[in-house]
Amino acid sequence: GAVVSQHPSWVICKSGTSVKIECRSLDFQATTMFWYRQFPKQSLMLMATSNEGSKATYEQGVEKDKFLINHASLTLSTLTVTSAHPEDSSFYICSATKSGVGTEAFFGQGTRLTVV
Amino acid sequence: KQEVTQIPAALSVPEGENLVLNCSFTDSAIYNLQWFRQDPGKGLTSLLLIQSSQREQTSGRLNASLDKSSGRSTLYIAASQPGDSATYLCAAPLNDYKLSFGAGTTVTVRA
Repeated sequence: GAVVSQHPSWVICKSGTSVKIECRSLDFQATTMFWYRQFPKQSLMLMATSNEGSKATYEQGVEKDKFLINHASLTLSTLTVTSAHPEDSSFYICSATKSGVGTEAFFGQGTRLTVV
Repeated sequence: KQEVTQIPAALSVPEGENLVLNCSFTDSAIYNLQWFRQDPGKGLTSLLLIQSSQREQTSGRLNASLDKSSGRSTLYIAASQPGDSATYLCAAPLNDYKLSFGAGTTVTVRA
């Protein structure tokens, strides 16, 4: 199978600071990556779709200026939570597909963000 | 927009019993259906992928069926083990690549 690595696995930051989360496809090129958010005991909520070399597409209700996504290469996408607040505390997960529609999605191990 | 529902929300069985997890979706124009496993505080592990043209997929003790016309998929886990305890999620993407997830079924297998 394909491996998606997400880093860091957990992070604690102070209110008002920014945090960057990396998502890497280790053994395949990912033209499309997705970022999800998961609240306790709830399912995953899609935040945005990240395409290599172009701007991310955000889901309705997701603040693009707060959650900055960059997909600079075919193996790396980053999510930066800017000016973090305690309500941004959550579990963030990325996924990547190898190519096109109908292909399998592979997920990173997730990042637990706690804003204090 | 695709809506995915998973029933039951939780399931507790003794070791050795077979598990049946249900997933239903509202839009049958899916490209595939994928079953995942999530352990507490972890990411998702892909279990099975069923292409829209397929009726079922098998891997070891796992078997997943797909009935697009009725908008349903079922995951069967044979001879459950305590290590099968986890939350199981299904996702059914449409032509926009996006995975719409159900809330999951949390399985507990008692030793």
